[in-house]
Amino acid sequence: EVQLVESGGGLVQPGGSLRLSCAASGFTFSSYEMNWVRQAPGKGLEWVSYISSSGSTIYYADSVKGRFTISRDNAKNSLYLQMNSLRAEDTAVYYCARDLGDTVTTGMLDPWGQGTLVTVSS
Amino acid sequence: EIVMTQSPATLSVSPGERATLSCRASQSVSSNLAWYQQKPGQAPRLLIYGASTRATGIPARFSGSGSGTEFTLTISSLQSEDFAVYYCQQYNNWPRLTFGGGTKVEIK
Repeated sequence: EVQLVESGGGLVQPGGSLRLSCAASGFTFSSYEMNWVRQAPGKGLEWVSYISSSGSTIYYADSVKGRFTISRDNAKNSLYLQMNSLRAEDTAVYYCARDLGDTVTTGMLDPWGQGTLVTVSS
Repeated sequence: EIVMTQSPATLSVSPGERATLSCRASQSVSSNLAWYQQKPGQAPRLLIYGASTRATGIPARFSGSGSGTEFTLTISSLQSEDFAVYYCQQYNNWPRLTFGGGTKVEIK
C-alpha cells in the first residue's frame, strides 16, 4: 500500500523553526517528485514547495521563499521541510503529496499524507 | 498566478440527487485541471485529472468536463460518502499549482 506519513508538527513561537518529515512506503520513492501543500485552519489548499526525484530541482511559493527549505533522502525514503522564521500566517496543516507521474512531471498530486499541524503562536 | 474560483461555496443536495460544481480559471489552463475530494479530518483525494479522466478507483458517478477557463464536476447521484469539500486545481502553470477555494457539498 502506498503511504505517506508526516511528522514534526507542533507549537512554535513566531520567528522560530521547525522541521517536518514525510516517510514514504509502498512505492519506489526515488522515482517520484514530491510536494508540500498546506491548509490553514478552515481554509483552502496552498502549494508550498516542489522537489524533483533526484533533489536537483526545487521550487517554492513566494510566500515561503527564503524561509523554507525542502529536501529529500532517497536512501531513507523521506521528504523534509525545514521551516525557519515562522510567522503566524504559516499556521496550517502541512501535507506531503506525491506527483502522480513516475517518469514525467504531471502536477497532479496523489496520494497525500494525513498531514501534520504547525501552529505559530506566542 | 492563475486564480481559481469555485462556485457555489456551499451546495445543499439530497442523497440520490445530482450535484454540479463549477470552477473558473483566471486564464486558460487548457485541460490541465484536477478535482480533489476532502472529508473532515482527512487528506485530499484525487478524483479527476485532465479535466475529465477519473483517477484510479473513483466511481463512475463522478464526472468532469470543461476546458480553457470553465470546468464542471458532476456527481450524478449523491451517496452519503460523497458529502465533503471539493477543490479544483490547475497544473497548467506548473510548478505554481493553485487551488480553488472549495465547494462544500452538504446534506439538504
